[in-house]
Amino acid sequence: KQEVTQIPAALSVPEGENLVLNCSFTDSAIYNLQWFRQDPGKGLTSLLLIQSSQREQTSGRLNASLDKSSGRSTLYIAASQPGDSATYLCAVGDYGQNFVFGPGTRLSVLP
Amino acid sequence: EAGVVQSPRYKIIEKKQPVAFWCNPISGHNTLYWYRQNLGQGPELLIRYENEEAVDDSQLPKDRFSAERLKGVDSTLKIQPAELGDSAVYLCASSLLATNTGELFFGEGSRLTVL
Repeated sequence: KQEVTQIPAALSVPEGENLVLNCSFTDSAIYNLQWFRQDPGKGLTSLLLIQSSQREQTSGRLNASLDKSSGRSTLYIAASQPGDSATYLCAVGDYGQNFVFGPGTRLSVLP
Repeated sequence: EAGVVQSPRYKIIEKKQPVAFWCNPISGHNTLYWYRQNLGQGPELLIRYENEEAVDDSQLPKDRFSAERLKGVDSTLKIQPAELGDSAVYLCASSLLATNTGELFFGEGSRLTVL
C-alpha cells in the first residue's frame, strides 16, 4: 500500500528566500506525481504534474523534481512571496488512476 | 471553460440528519472522484467513477454513505444518517482518462459540520 509523507509539516520563512518542500513515497511503481496548493477553506489547485518518465517540471518560480528510485519528489520555490503562503500537498498516482495524498506542508512567507 | 463545480459550499446539520453534496466535473472528464479531507490531513478517497461505473468504492462507508453518477456526468454523494465524525470537507475531482497525464482537477469543496 502506497504511503506518502511530507516534511516539514510546517515552514516559516522571510520573504525572498528560496525554499524546498519534500515529498516521499514508499512504492516506486508510480504513474505520475502532482503538486497542489491549498488556501484555507479552498479546494486544491494543481501546480505541477510530473510523469513517471520525467525528472522535473517547471512553472514560473516553481520547479518540481522526481526521483522514483529513491521515492522522493521536491518542490522548489524561488524568491518566495507572502502570496505563496498556503498548504502544499503532493499526490502520487498509480497506473490505475488511484492517487494517494501526503498530509501537506503548511508554508508561511513573512513580509 | 468552467472548472469542477460543487455545492453547497457549507452545510451545518444536526447528527442523524441526512445531507447530500453535488458535483459537476469539467466537461468531457470521464473520471470523477469523491474525497474526504479532515483538518490538517490530505484528502482520502471515498469513491472513484469511470463514466457511470463506480470502479473503486472500497473506502466508502456503505452503511451510511451512498453515491451515484447516473448519466456519467454529475454526481451526488449522500450521508444518512450523519454522525459527528463526518464533519470534514468533501472534495470532488475529475480527470480525463483519455489523456496520458491523468491530471486531477478539484472543486472548491463542501464543508460539512455535524452538531
